[in-house]
Amino acid sequence: DSGVTQTPKHLITATGQRVTLRCSPRSGDLSVYWYQQSLDQGLQFLIHYYNGEERAKGNILERFSAQQFPDLHSELNLSSLELGDSALYFCASSRTGPLVNEQFFGPGTRLTVL
Amino acid sequence: DQQVKQNSPSLSVQEGRISILNCDYTNSMFDYFLWYKKYPAEGPTFLISISSIKDKNEDGRFTVFLNKSAKHLSLHIVPSQPGDSAVYFCAARTSGAGSYQLTFGKGTKLSVIP
Repeated sequence: DSGVTQTPKHLITATGQRVTLRCSPRSGDLSVYWYQQSLDQGLQFLIHYYNGEERAKGNILERFSAQQFPDLHSELNLSSLELGDSALYFCASSRTGPLVNEQFFGPGTRLTVL
Repeated sequence: DQQVKQNSPSLSVQEGRISILNCDYTNSMFDYFLWYKKYPAEGPTFLISISSIKDKNEDGRFTVFLNKSAKHLSLHIVPSQPGDSAVYFCAARTSGAGSYQLTFGKGTKLSVIP
């Protein structure tokens, strides 16, 4: 158990809909990262939040947005969903700094868009 | 454009023998390299890392080698055990503007045969 929790575990929805994925980082971790893993793909970095502020963006679509709340949990919002958005979405947390390397991953949310 | 490549999607090894997983990268700005292990229905778990200024790091049965001139790293598992069967992801870190981002390869599925 990494200490990172994600809800829900599975989500099935229709095209055009909007969903919210939730992540609670490990106790004490200020950084939250979101990743998308599509079929046969590695993990694609989406966005990084540190202590409530957006720090970096990766390959995140404009239809996707995220935020980190004062209690440090984070939400990833996916809107106008398309079939191609079906994927595993992972969040990871870490202490942030030059000597910190590893990110700790949650179990993921499997999103299926029908 | 894949900056981190794992060219072998799968690898089978006999129990007790050595497993060697390979990874190539193109970005000279990567400052740390990490290996993650992933079981089905779980998030990736950090295994071992190496700084770009080192060429070897060992942790028990796991050793990571880095060849900077060839932009190549490898993970050696000796001896391999059936519990090592999982998907292994190579990741590389870039640092900048208060964010430490990981770029992942697509993974290599290791099967250790008893």
